[in-house]
Formats: sequence, C-alpha cells, structure tokens
Amino acid sequence: AQSVTQLGSHVSVSEGALVLLRCNYSSSVPPYLFWYVQYPNQGLQLLLKYTTGATLVKGINGFEAEFKKSETSFHLTKPSAHMSDAAEYFCAVSDRGSTLGRLYFGRGTQLTVWP
Amino acid sequence: KAGVTQTPRYLIKTRGQQVTLSCSPISGHRSVSWYQQTPGQGLQFLFEYFSETQRNKGNFPGRFSGRQFSNSRSEMNVSTLELGDSALYLCASSLSGTNTDTQYFGPGTRLTVL
Repeated sequence: AQSVTQLGSHVSVSEGALVLLRCNYSSSVPPYLFWYVQYPNQGLQLLLKYTTGATLVKGINGFEAEFKKSETSFHLTKPSAHMSDAAEYFCAVSDRGSTLGRLYFGRGTQLTVWP
Repeated sequence: KAGVTQTPRYLIKTRGQQVTLSCSPISGHRSVSWYQQTPGQGLQFLFEYFSETQRNKGNFPGRFSGRQFSNSRSEMNVSTLELGDSALYLCASSLSGTNTDTQYFGPGTRLTVL
C-alpha cells in the first residue's frame, strides 16, 4: 500500500508570507500525486496534480508544487499567503502500478494565516 | 455543471442501528468512490463503483457496503453501527475512476453515532 507523509500537522504564516507545505511519499515507483484543500464543513477541492510531464505543476489560487523524484517529495508552495488560504491541505497519491484511482491521503496540514 | 451532492448532510444514529447515505455524482461521471474521514484515522478509502460494479475495496468490515445504480448514483450502507463509525463520509466522482482521473468530492455526510 502507498504511504504519504505530511510533515507538520499545523503551519502558521503571516499574510503575505511564503506558504510551504511538505509531502513525501514512500513507494519505490513514483505514484501520481495530488494536493487537495478542505475548508470547514466542506468536501475536498483539487488544487493541482502531477501525472506526467513538467515536474513543476501550477494549480488554482496561486499554488504550485514540484515533483522531486530524488527526494520522493511533492511540496506545495504559494509565494504570498492570503487570509482566504486558511484551510486544511491534504497530499494524496494514487498507485501508478494500478489502473484504479484509489487515493491514499496524508494526515493533513492545517494552515493558519495571521493578519 | 452541478457538483457532487450528498444526502443527508447530517445524521444522528444510535449504536446497533443501520444507516444509508446517498451520493449523486457529477453528470457524466461513471465512477463513485467513498471515503471515511475521522480525526484518528484520517481519510480512508472505503470502496469504488463503476458501472454498477464494485471494482475496489478498502480495509473495512463487511458492515460497510455500497451499491451503484444505472444512473451512477451510489449509496453506502453501514449496519450495526458502532461508536467508532462516527465520521465524515465523503463521496467522490470521476469520469472513469482511473489513477490519473481527478476525483471531485461532495460536501460529505456527518454521521454521529450515540
């Protein structure tokens, strides 16, 4: 089974500061990689995904992530945090060795943005 | 296009009862997956349906079951509820349920077991 680690269950930044949320996977064959965001009392919304091609992926709301195979990482960044970015962020993977789309999620990182 | 809808949004049951949750996928999506979200275990995959067939199943007891109808709508059922079944149950739909498909999530059904 796939395993996803998100370092830091809570991250706090000031408005305008850089946002960096960390995600590492454990499989020897790189999986497909996703970042989702969850606002209170809502479902998950896809921010971005990496399946093939350019390793730097741009998503919605100014977020981007870079797939680094050598580091087994897919960290999420945003140059300048906004108050509306406060939410819980989940890194997820799907198994490249299977055609089925089951997602394996990390434990999530709660992002707080201070004014 | 309308998003994924789940009903009901909130549910309170007592131990031993059973419950049925409903999910309507985005129009045209044929794959529906279910996930359980709890503070202790995080987000865990329950099962996935495509064209009325269960294609994949997570590591949950047989009390958890589901089905999909010909219009792709899906239901999940939990029998003999336990306190530990209290969770947010999320439904996600995608076009064909492959490992590169984007899964679109509904708002969830919050189940509380007393």
